[in-house]
This record gives sequence, structure tokens and C-alpha cells, in this order.
Amino acid sequence: EADIYQTPRYLVIGTGKKITLECSQTMGHDKMYWYQQDPGMELHLIHYSYGVNSTEKGDLSSESTVSRIRTEHFPLTLESARPSHTSQYLCASSEGWGIGEKLFFGSGTQLSVL
Amino acid sequence: GNSVTQMEGPVTLSEEAFLTINCTYTATGYPSLFWYVQYPGEGLQLLLKATKADDKGSNKGFEATYRKETTSFHLEKGSVQVSDSAVYFCALRVGGTGANNLFFGTGTRLTVIP
Repeated sequence: EADIYQTPRYLVIGTGKKITLECSQTMGHDKMYWYQQDPGMELHLIHYSYGVNSTEKGDLSSESTVSRIRTEHFPLTLESARPSHTSQYLCASSEGWGIGEKLFFGSGTQLSVL
Repeated sequence: GNSVTQMEGPVTLSEEAFLTINCTYTATGYPSLFWYVQYPGEGLQLLLKATKADDKGSNKGFEATYRKETTSFHLEKGSVQVSDSAVYFCALRVGGTGANNLFFGTGTRLTVIP
């Protein structure tokens, strides 16, 4: 069982609103990730963190920002939501390194911006 | 570059039917290959993996063989059950470590009907 939680599960919001997607894990993992998936498209890495106070952008450019103040918490923020941000956002954490690295995913947040 | 191409879905099968979900890849190095599964309302979880050519990963009756000559990692199951209904993601990892070296396919939705 993965102990990684995302809230909310679904979010419908108007353009211009600030939103924060929550992600928490209780496994003590140092590495955490945010992926974005549009319908019928690949998962794309948008942010990652290797530990507290460490955040990096992934291979897909995103207007969102992240923070990592505590090991267990990796929230994603959009300062001003737009319809182009409508997507599914998946949070993950991992243990191990290299070939042995194993990812654990949350159940995702489906964001719709009207 | 590095990419994964999956069979487009959705796939609908009757219970006890044979399942194949095709996956081919391109990689700049020597990748490890994975299948992830996402059951309704849950996060992605690792189903099976193979780390070198001719390796066969297996779990829960699913199998996939790493075929370097055809750059493929097709997922198979001899007799599917309703509980196998989920979205299946093929993925590859190149290099040893790092968030940017894991690449996912688009996912294939499988529905098994009684």
C-alpha cells in the first residue's frame, strides 16, 4: 500500500484563481515528483525535489510552482489559473536509486479551469 | 530521444479473454522497462519490470518480455478478469538516477466485461 495522498481529488475553479494542490507522503521519502497528464497524452514531469529546500523543474514547462519545506509535504501552486491548466496532476515519491528506484503515486487531482 | 509508444485504447475484452497491450520504445541508452497500472480511483503502481534484454517481468498473471531486437515490451495475460479493468502505462528509465530519466507512454485503458 502506498502512503501518499493528494487533495483535492477533483477541483473545478474559475480563471484567475490561485490554487494549491496538496501532496503528502508518510514514507519518509526524500524524492518527490509532480507529473501532468493531458487526456490521451503521456505523463510529463513538471517538478521534482530531492529533499527539503530542493526543487527543480522537469522536462515539461509549467507555470506552476512547488515548495518543499517539510520532507512529507510537496504542494503545487498556480498563482492564476487558466483554462490551459486543465489537466490531471499526479504526485509521486520514491525510494531507492537507479534501476532499483520504485515510485509510489497518489491518486491524482483532476483540475478543470473554466 | 527517449520515448514510449503504446497501443491506443480503449480495449474492451470479455472475462477470460487473452490480453496483449503493445509497447515499443526508443532510447538513447540501455533502458529498464516497466509496466504501471492505475486502478479506478487509485494512483499508479508498479506492475512489473525488466532490466535487461530477454528478461521477463511477471506479476498477478501478467507478463512482459524485454525484446531488444524489436525494442518492445508487450504486456500479456492469458485470462483477464473484471478486476483487471484499469489503465496500463508502459515506461522506460535510462541512466542510473534522476527524475528526468523516466519516460511514460500515454496509457491504455482496459475494460473487462463479465
